[in-house]
Amino acid sequence: QVQLVESGGGVVQPGGSLRLSCTASGFNFNNYGIHWVRQAPAKGLEWVAFIRHDGSIKYYVDSVKGRFTISRDNSKNTLSLQMNSLRPDDTAMYYCARKKIAKDIKVEYFDYWGQGTLVTVSS
Amino acid sequence: DIQMTQAPSSLSASVGDRVTITCRASQSISSYINWYQQKPGEAPKLLIYSASSLQSGVPSRFSGSGSGTDFTLTISSLQPEDFATYYCQQTFSIPPIIFGQGTRLEFK
Repeated sequence: QVQLVESGGGVVQPGGSLRLSCTASGFNFNNYGIHWVRQAPAKGLEWVAFIRHDGSIKYYVDSVKGRFTISRDNSKNTLSLQMNSLRPDDTAMYYCARKKIAKDIKVEYFDYWGQGTLVTVSS
Repeated sequence: DIQMTQAPSSLSASVGDRVTITCRASQSISSYINWYQQKPGEAPKLLIYSASSLQSGVPSRFSGSGSGTDFTLTISSLQPEDFATYYCQQTFSIPPIIFGQGTRLEFK
């Protein structure tokens, strides 16, 4: 079955760095774009970044541009999020989610999500 | 950026009730809206995509409707397992992908 498993979260000081990973199984990872979505404690969902199936296109929310880098290794079925210059407002649960396109009208949606990895930025 | 406004932000209801949650887009998004359910301590789960298409495995008491700027998620007869937070999401104009602020459905 389709599985996405995040790892790499932890506690880091402001200004520090962290690298999150998302390991996929149960589907052909090469064929799917993947998103990162985060959720601050007791807050709503915020889309963070996206990478196309072949890595050729990447998008970021404005608040992380220049600080976060999304990448993937299709030979290892792994997605990464390198997070630099971390700030307290980056504290959140980080989820990876698989992109799916509806066959009829091409609407994009997220059909599978990982369980999340918690990032805490605090001194 | 397109903004998504959900209403209400919280809702109290009882088992068996019919519940409607609305989401309004700041501009037309055709049918490019999806709905997710999130229970405490869990990842979000896809319920409805393309405004009205039910994701495989999701009970038929969930339905979605709307087009353009105004959308609804309806639960026809609330079950105990439906008490959760619900989010709409637009994927018409990306980036960014925007979620609504969420509707917390609580037991009355």
